[in-house]
Amino acid sequence: GQQLNQSPQSMFIQEGEDVSMNCTSSSIFNTWLWYKQDPGEGPVLLIALYKAGELTSNGRLTAQFGITRKDSFLNISASIPSDVGIYFCAGLTLVTGANNLFFGTGTRLTVIP
Amino acid sequence: ETGVTQTPRHLVMGMTNKKSLKCEQHLGHNAMYWYKQSAKKPLELMFVYSLEERVENNSVPSRFSPECPNSSHLFLHLHTLQPEDSALYLCASSQETASGGVGVSKNIQYFGAGTRLSVL
Repeated sequence: GQQLNQSPQSMFIQEGEDVSMNCTSSSIFNTWLWYKQDPGEGPVLLIALYKAGELTSNGRLTAQFGITRKDSFLNISASIPSDVGIYFCAGLTLVTGANNLFFGTGTRLTVIP
Repeated sequence: ETGVTQTPRHLVMGMTNKKSLKCEQHLGHNAMYWYKQSAKKPLELMFVYSLEERVENNSVPSRFSPECPNSSHLFLHLHTLQPEDSALYLCASSQETASGGVGVSKNIQYFGAGTRLSVL
C-alpha cells in the first residue's frame, strides 16, 4: 500500500511555541486528513483537506494540502499543554468504491509547561 | 464522543481463549473498518465492510474473523491468538459514496476509542 512519511517523529517544545509537522508520499491522494490521538483513545479528526493548495484553519491549527497532492503540513500556533498527543496524517483515495485511508507513522508532541 | 463505541476497552486473554470485540456506530454510516495499532507502526487496515459486505481483507491471519450483521454493528472474533497480536484494535465508520467515483472524496472515517488487547 501507499507509504506516508511523517516528520518529525517526536517533538519537545515549550508552551507557547509554534509547531510544524509534515507528511509526504510518493502517491497522489484525493483528501488529506490530520488526526490527533490522546493516550488510550482513538484518533480524532482535526482537519480535512479536499483540494490541492487548500489552506484550512481550525482554531490554532492550520493545515495545507500540497499543490502536488503528495504532501501536507500541519501547524499549531501558541502551543498549550493539552496539545500533547500523537498527530497522524492520513491520505485518502477512493479505489473501486472501497474507502482506503493510509496513515503516517505519527508525530509525538510533548509540550513543556 | 465520536459516535463510535467499542467494547470492551481492555481485554486480556490467553492464547487458547476465544473472545470477541464489538463496535457500534450511531452515525448512520454505511461502512465500517477494523484497524490494528501497534507501537511505532502505522495504523494497519484489517477489514473493510461497505454496505455490510466485506470488500477488502489485507491478508490478515485467519485467527481474526470479522462479522458485520448490519450497518451499525461490527465484531472481530478472536481465537488462538499469539502474543504479537497484542495491540490497540480500532474500529471506524464512514459514509461511502457510490462505487467507481472519481475525484474528491469526503468519506472521512470516525474512530472509536479502541480495545487494548493483551495476549498472554
